[in-house]
Amino acid sequence: IAGITQAPTSQILAAGRRMTLRCTQDMRHNAMYWYRQDLGLGLRLIHYSNTAGTTGKGEVPDGYSVSRANTDDFPLTLASAVPSQTSVYFCASSDESSGSRAGELFFGEGSRLTVL
Amino acid sequence: GQNIDQPTEMTATEGAIVQINCTYQTSGFNGLFWYQQHAGEAPTFLSYNVLDGLEEKGRFSSFLSRSKGYSYLLLKELQMKDSASYLCAVMDSNYQLIWGAGTKLIIKP
Repeated sequence: IAGITQAPTSQILAAGRRMTLRCTQDMRHNAMYWYRQDLGLGLRLIHYSNTAGTTGKGEVPDGYSVSRANTDDFPLTLASAVPSQTSVYFCASSDESSGSRAGELFFGEGSRLTVL
Repeated sequence: GQNIDQPTEMTATEGAIVQINCTYQTSGFNGLFWYQQHAGEAPTFLSYNVLDGLEEKGRFSSFLSRSKGYSYLLLKELQMKDSASYLCAVMDSNYQLIWGAGTKLIIKP
């Protein structure tokens, strides 16, 4: 069972370039999330999707976009990367978007992005 | 504003017991979660509390006091593999998780 797969694992990117981080889950979870994790800070929510076809903005959405065309895939796009987007990005999913199981997240292994 | 506080770093000895505290102020409360994250890896779910009291799961226990906005994670019989960061997160009224910065636990032989 793969769970959640993220790609790429790591990437160095020139500022101004467009980048898409891929995320695929095989657990048929309804809700999916993108977080960034920076040293000394808690995980910060970028965008989320409660079900296929819907998306919402999290705490730090600026400079990022997402789509949820189907249940399994939830790509994150940086339209024009800037150095402040250097971070580790985690995709996660949960069986529910509300209720007791909504906080039980399953995470991908992360994508380490460096923007120069 | 919403805030989760937990110590930045703690050190403990193999075989001992350690308690990691978490205090929170959030807009509503729909449960408190603890996650473990080894260096360079993804967080993994440890425990969930929504009612006051202690939840025990093997060597790990988690306690919640909603009136005090306080939780702790208790790790018993520490093993070297318990060296990791422990993340406290609270689910607010919108069912969004608010995360603490994590506590790095260092286990010494």
